[in-house]
This record gives sequence, structure tokens and C-alpha cells, in this order.
Amino acid sequence: NAGVMQNPRHLVRRRGQEARLRCSPMKGHSHVYWYRQLPEEGLKFMVYLQKENIIDESGMPKERFSAEFPKEGPSILRIQQVVRGDSAAYFCASSPRQGIGGELFFGEGSRLTVL
Amino acid sequence: QQQVKQSPQSLIVQKGGISIINCAYENTAFDYFPWYQQFPGKGPALLIAIRPDVSEKKEGRFTISFNKSAKQFSLHIMDSQPGDSATYFCAASYPGGGNKLTFGTGTQLKVEL
Repeated sequence: NAGVMQNPRHLVRRRGQEARLRCSPMKGHSHVYWYRQLPEEGLKFMVYLQKENIIDESGMPKERFSAEFPKEGPSILRIQQVVRGDSAAYFCASSPRQGIGGELFFGEGSRLTVL
Repeated sequence: QQQVKQSPQSLIVQKGGISIINCAYENTAFDYFPWYQQFPGKGPALLIAIRPDVSEKKEGRFTISFNKSAKQFSLHIMDSQPGDSATYFCAASYPGGGNKLTFGTGTQLKVEL
């Protein structure tokens, strides 16, 4: 049973370009979370999605960031017009159900470097 | 506003020793407190978790101690091994918030031979 799959693992972008990060949850999981980890910091919640719905985006920056989890295919975190401050590791996690904790499985992350 | 404070930032322990990492939280609404272990280049993995109705939970060499009145919880790693060298994060979540976790800033543990 494959774990949470993220790609690309490493992504380099120049300022002003777009970054697209993909996440395929574990089989049977319909809840996806995105977290961002800045250097030397803990993970910060960004957004929680279920299939075709954004449930909680309270941690998403108001501009340039968007996320989706379509009926078919992976969840995508999109960052438009990247800036150097967007350089971070972006982790996707999935769970089979909502709300009870303890069933959150993380991928290995996508490391974005903005030149 | 940082809601979960973690210390120390880094820790060096001799093999066989006890590693202790502490966390303090501010919001009494938190009701789930997990610890995650992260190796370089990998994603965090759940290590052990506790809810506030118990004061201690033990799984193998890992123990969480929980002090509800002080709003503190700690991770103890007994008989620390070089393979335990990793970054450890405490976290907390609200009722119904389940997997929307608030993380501490992490502790880099190095276990030396």
C-alpha cells in the first residue's frame, strides 16, 4: 500500500514563475492537508481539502496561493508569481476520515527553491 | 502568536541516556497532543500521542508525560539510540480539528555513541 506521494520532490523556480505541487493521498484516504515548513521552523497548516471541496483554508496566504483536490487526480497546491520567501518544504498529508486525529500520514515533501 | 512552545531547540544525548523534550501550550481548548519524528529529507511520522484525560502514555522506549494544570507535555526517550537522531515536533489540535495541527518549532536530537 503506497504512502502519500508527492511530486516533484525538488522544484526550482525563478521569481515570478509559477509552482505546482502535486499530492496523491494514500489509497482510501479522501482528506488532504497541506503544511509548509520554513527553514528551522515547525510545520504550519495551510489548507484542508476533501474531494472537490476546500474545507479550511485559514492558513493559506490570501494572494498567489491556491489549492484544489479534484474528483479525479491528485491534489494540487499552486503558487503563482513565486517570491524568495516561498522557498520552503511543502508537505501533504492524508487521512481516511475527519477530525479524530492520529491518522495523519505525511508525504516526503516537495522542496521549493526560488532563485 | 505561537501557540505551542517547544524546547530545547537542540539536544545531544549519549547512547543509553534519556532524552527529554518539553512543550507548553496556551490554549486550553486543545485536546489532542501528538509527537512527530522527522528524519532529514523525509516527512514527519507520528510517534506517539496523548489526550488530556491521562497523565502518561508509554509505547516502548517512548513516553509522553502530560500536565494539564501546567499546560505542559513532554516526550521522554529512554535508552536513546543513534537511530533516534532526528527532529522531533510536538503538536496540538482542537476538538473536531483532528488533523489541523499546531506544531512546535522542533528539537534536533543527536544521540552520540
